[in-house]
Amino acid sequence: AIQMTQSPSSLSASVGDRVTITCRASQAIRNDLGWYQQKPGKAPKLLIYSASTLQSGVPSRFSGSGSGTEFTLTISSLQPEDFATYYCLQDYIYPQTFGQGTKVDIK
Amino acid sequence: EVQLVESGGGWVQPGGSLRLSCAASGFSFSTYAMTWVRQAPGKGLEWVSIITSAGGTTYYADSVKGRFTISRDNSKNTVYLQVNSLRVEDTAVYFCAKDRGDPNGVFDHWGQGTLVSVSS
Repeated sequence: AIQMTQSPSSLSASVGDRVTITCRASQAIRNDLGWYQQKPGKAPKLLIYSASTLQSGVPSRFSGSGSGTEFTLTISSLQPEDFATYYCLQDYIYPQTFGQGTKVDIK
Repeated sequence: EVQLVESGGGWVQPGGSLRLSCAASGFSFSTYAMTWVRQAPGKGLEWVSIITSAGGTTYYADSVKGRFTISRDNSKNTVYLQVNSLRVEDTAVYFCAKDRGDPNGVFDHWGQGTLVSVSS
């Protein structure tokens, strides 16, 4: 199975900060990658798919980039509602695999 | 409005079985693949299984292959996960989710989850 490795595992940031999360795949996955946000006790929410396509209704401060083995999720100006855990998920091949998650909390 | 409502979770002893259900509404259920994802307490997300719109193709995580079976009843707008030979490490909240395609592995709507607890 493809391994997805996120970094960092956690980070502390302030409102207004620019935040970047990286996801690396153990083999090339084209641009078959999505990003999900999860808040405590809630279901995950789709933010981005195909590495860079913003899901309908998701604020434009979220963006994604990358292809092959390295991908990034960027939040251009962190808002209070963005404090959450973020996961990448490859959809290149089955079994699909998630990264271990990146927790973004308040500095 | 898309709604996904899971049920069927509960406490079970190791080696036991459960059938999880996910009732869908608000979209053309028979057009989309459906998936199950789980999350152990305090841990990350783990993809479990997916089924295509007509039910003809299924895939599983290695950790559940041979023990779990995904199925669907398009007349009832419901997807199921039969979980057998349960282990302590299967303890998790199980989420169902709707695929954007058939399938494309991108999950745009999620249920709130049902908790499966395996212990003696």
